[in-house]
Amino acid sequence: EDKVVQSPLSLVVHEGDTVTLNCSYEVTNFRSLLWYKQEKKAPTFLFMLTSSGIEKKSGRLSSILDKKELFSILNITATQTGDSAIYLCAGNAGNNRKLIWGLGTSLAVNP
Amino acid sequence: DGGITQSPKYLFRKEGQNVTLSCEQNLNHDAMYWYRQDPGQGLRLIYYSQIVNDFQKGDIAEGYSVSREKKESFPLTVTSAQKNPTAFYLCASSSNYGYTFGSGTRLTVV
Repeated sequence: EDKVVQSPLSLVVHEGDTVTLNCSYEVTNFRSLLWYKQEKKAPTFLFMLTSSGIEKKSGRLSSILDKKELFSILNITATQTGDSAIYLCAGNAGNNRKLIWGLGTSLAVNP
Repeated sequence: DGGITQSPKYLFRKEGQNVTLSCEQNLNHDAMYWYRQDPGQGLRLIYYSQIVNDFQKGDIAEGYSVSREKKESFPLTVTSAQKNPTAFYLCASSSNYGYTFGSGTRLTVV
């Protein structure tokens, strides 16, 4: 059965800390892995990663996928209170674009 | 601007009533999805549609129904058969480059 597991489920840090969020996946006909940030409402897209292993970066956020270990990490450096959110990871399976979602990591950044 | 519009943002209904949640997109995406989100349970797929006039059940379709008569629209009906309808409902559409989500509808059944 396809599954995506995120860890930790919740995390509390202080502003300025660096955090690493984890996502392991077992997805049949794996195409890509997606990271989203969800604050109060709709998840917003962060990164899409494929088996190419190329690291993606956007400002203080970066992410990479290890196709051998079936694992991805999302790094956030110099965290800010605005980074507080739920971070969702999802695996894209097969040709129907259906995503397999993890439960998310709830990140709280305290001033 | 292209995007997905869900309405209403908040909805209250009495137990035993059917209710329909609206989802409209102007992104020209073929595929559309409905998810339910409960605290601590992540996103669970209710129904999805890859093309007009066709849709498939997701993981938790019981008590829900959908239609896809137009490419732009994918309404979800929460029927009285759904035992725990109070939740946050998210609609999404997708292209080869990823998903776009609506802002969600929070349904409360009293």
